Amino acid sequence: DAGITQSPRHKVTETGTPVTLRCHQTENHRYMYWYRQDPGHGLRLIHYSYGVKDTDKGEVSDGYSVSRSKTEDFLLTLESATSSQTSVYFCAISDPNLAGLAYEQYFGPGTRLTVT
Amino acid sequence: TQLLEQSPQFLSIQEGENLTVYCNSSSVFSSLQWYRQEPGEGPVLLVTVVTGGEVKKLKRLTFQFGDARKDSSLHITAAQPGDTGLYLCAGARDTGRRALTFGSGTRLQVQP
Repeated sequence: DAGITQSPRHKVTETGTPVTLRCHQTENHRYMYWYRQDPGHGLRLIHYSYGVKDTDKGEVSDGYSVSRSKTEDFLLTLESATSSQTSVYFCAISDPNLAGLAYEQYFGPGTRLTVT
Repeated sequence: TQLLEQSPQFLSIQEGENLTVYCNSSSVFSSLQWYRQEPGEGPVLLVTVVTGGEVKKLKRLTFQFGDARKDSSLHITAAQPGDTGLYLCAGARDTGRRALTFGSGTRLQVQP
């Protein structure tokens, strides 16, 4: 258990509204990631962070922004939600000190977001 | 374009049968991981392979990394209903980004 929680776990929102999803970890892991999961696409990387205030874009970053002001929290914001952003969102962490391989990732339980 | 192609996409078998899931790419990966995901939960890491030709066994599951580090397979012997789930492969490349590329997944249903 890598001590990862996500909130909220479920959210329904209307098109055009802003939405912020939170990922919280309790063990000071350096790397944090946001993915979305859609049928037929597996997991696609939205943004990731390699330290406080250090973030970078993934393959599907359009329409999303992130912030990491503390080690333990990684926030994903949809500035103006669209129906195409209906998905399940997963947060993950990675840490070179876990099993010695930096690329192994440990996932949170997910947030199911529906944009109507 | 999916960098990692998994096959088959869906598999429904009877308890006791054997199966193999494939993960293929035209790219070379520094390591490759397999995850299993159950409904309503996040993926859980099963194994990491890092050396071309490497074979790892986890009880009834056998994982193999191709010699050229472009492909991998997962073989399950005598499948059980508890093996039901979505199996995902994920590859890491030495681009400095420390990010994984995931396959689209294989959904396995094992009928009792």
